[in-house]
Formats: sequence, structure tokens, C-alpha cells
Amino acid sequence: EVQLVQSGAEVKKPGESLRISCKGSGYNFPSYWITWVRLMPGKGLEWMGRIDPSDSYTNYSPSFQGHVTLSVDKSTSTAYLQWSSLKASDTAMYYCARQHDISYFYSIDVWGQGTTVTVSS
Amino acid sequence: QSALTQPASVSGSPGQSITISCTGISSDVVAYKYVSWYQQHPGKAPKVIIYGVSNRPSGVSNRFSGSKSANTASLTISGLQAEDEADYYCSTYTSRSTLLFGGGTKLTVL
Repeated sequence: EVQLVQSGAEVKKPGESLRISCKGSGYNFPSYWITWVRLMPGKGLEWMGRIDPSDSYTNYSPSFQGHVTLSVDKSTSTAYLQWSSLKASDTAMYYCARQHDISYFYSIDVWGQGTTVTVSS
Repeated sequence: QSALTQPASVSGSPGQSITISCTGISSDVVAYKYVSWYQQHPGKAPKVIIYGVSNRPSGVSNRFSGSKSANTASLTISGLQAEDEADYYCSTYTSRSTLLFGGGTKLTVL
């Protein structure tokens, strides 16, 4: 079964750093991009950026460039989303997802279960 | 970067058909071809129901269909069922190699 399993919920204070993970299984991990999506309470989906596990090439949304970092460890089929200094406004659900390239119209077909991040003093 | 605009909410009765619009699709060839639609139930991860404007993934009901005209993409759900009540998002791949989501539409089945 193809799946993405994300790390558990996090509660952090403003200014702290955080890295959440997304482990792929059931498919050839380097062959598909991993994209990250934010869902803030009461808001809609926001695309944050994506990483190509084959070469770690990244592409960020202008809204998130410079505030988060995407990385990947091919040896463990795991992708990461990282903050160096959290803000209260980072409180949200974060999803990783498998994104196709042009062969399937850049669509997303597999989603992780989501990781809730709460940032509060 | 262009925005994708969806109605905040739509509603329909069981058995009826509804259409959700997604405006602002750029005339850019890249964005034109790569519209997807996602369904999200409360507390669940999104699920793709349409990709490449009008393609339906295996396992998705044929009650869901997608189309595009000019700068507007549309999702039509026919034979509404209670289980269709969810949030729906359009998305497109842009010429800057980024993904863009619409604001989302809450579907209520009356």
C-alpha cells in the first residue's frame, strides 16, 4: 500500500525551532515529488513548496520562502519540513503529499494524515 | 501570482446536480492544462477527485466531472449524496512551477 506517514502533533513556543517528518512507503520514493500544504484553522489549503527526492531540488511558494526549509533523506524515504523560529501564526495542520510531475498533470494523489502544530506562549 | 476564486459555499438537495466554479485560470498554457480538484471531509486529508481538468482517478465516482471554459474551471457533482458534503478545492500548476489552490468551497447537502 502506498502511504505517507507523518510525525505526531507538536506544541511549541514562539521562537523555537521544529522539524516534522513524512515517511513514504509502498512506492519508489525518489520517483515522486513531496509537496507540503498548510491548513490553518477556518481557512483553505495553501501550497508551501515541494522537493524532488531524487536530487533535493526545491521550489517554494513566495509566501513561505525564507520561513521554512524542505529537505529529504532518500536513505530512509523521509521528507522534512523545518522552521528555525516559529511564530504563533504557524499554528496549523500541515500535510505532506505525493505530487506527480507532468505525466499526471502535476496532481497530488497520496496525502499524509497531517501533523498539527500549535505555537503558543 | 494570480489567485483562484471559488464560491465560499454551495448547496443542493440529494439527487440534484451542483457546479463549483474556479475562476482566474491564467491563459498561460501551463495553468490551462493542469487543473485538479480535491475533496476534503472535516478532520480528514484531502483526496483528489479530478486531475488534468477532466480526468477522474480510479475509484472516484463518475458522478464527479470536471471541465474548463475560458479562464474558468468547473467541478460538477451529479446525483448529490449526503456523503458529498465536504470542502472542495481547485488547484493549478503555474508557469513559475508552483501550485496554487483556490480558496475552497463548502458544499452542503440539504
